[in-house]
Amino acid sequence: NAGVTQTPKFRVLKTGQSMTLLCAQDMNHEYMYWYRQDPGMGLRLIHYSVGEGTTAKGEVPDGYNVSRLKKQNFLLGLESAAPSQTSVYFCASSSTFMGQGIYEQYFGPGTRLTVT
Amino acid sequence: RKEVEQDPGPFNVPEGATVAFNCTYSNSASQSFFWYRQDCRKEPKLLMSVYSSGNEDGRFTAQLNRASQYISLLIRDSKLSDSATYLCVVTANQGGKLIFGQGTELSVKP
Repeated sequence: NAGVTQTPKFRVLKTGQSMTLLCAQDMNHEYMYWYRQDPGMGLRLIHYSVGEGTTAKGEVPDGYNVSRLKKQNFLLGLESAAPSQTSVYFCASSSTFMGQGIYEQYFGPGTRLTVT
Repeated sequence: RKEVEQDPGPFNVPEGATVAFNCTYSNSASQSFFWYRQDCRKEPKLLMSVYSSGNEDGRFTAQLNRASQYISLLIRDSKLSDSATYLCVVTANQGGKLIFGQGTELSVKP
């Protein structure tokens, strides 16, 4: 059981380049999320998805796009990378919201992205 | 004001010490509360959920005060392996979304 996996683990981009980060989960979770983590800022939600074919904006969506074409995959795209997007990116997944609370979010190992 | 605020840290304590972390949240509609642990350069992992009645898991005790919008985590008999960053987490208005505090770093020394 792999849980949540992320590809790639490290990447260096030049300003203006594009790339896609892939997140895959094998737990049949409905909800998936993309966060970025910067020193002193904690984790901030970029985009999330409540099910296949649906996506929604989080706290810091500008400069990013996402797609959830398959339930198990959630892609994060950077169309034109900027140095401000240098960060550690975490993907997470969780079971369906059940009213009184939500289930634990399981995180992938992260992608360390540097934009020069 | 940040939605979730934690003690800035870092906390440097000797082995065997008791340490307490505090957290406040601004959204009174938040329904679920958690403490996550994050080791250096690794992904966050759930440490424990926080219930209104308070809950304990071994050396860890979590408490919630809804009236004051305050959450705490107490670690007794600290171990070297407890060294990590502890993240206070609350749910947002819309289902499924979590709001993370910036984390408090704990370093337990021999």
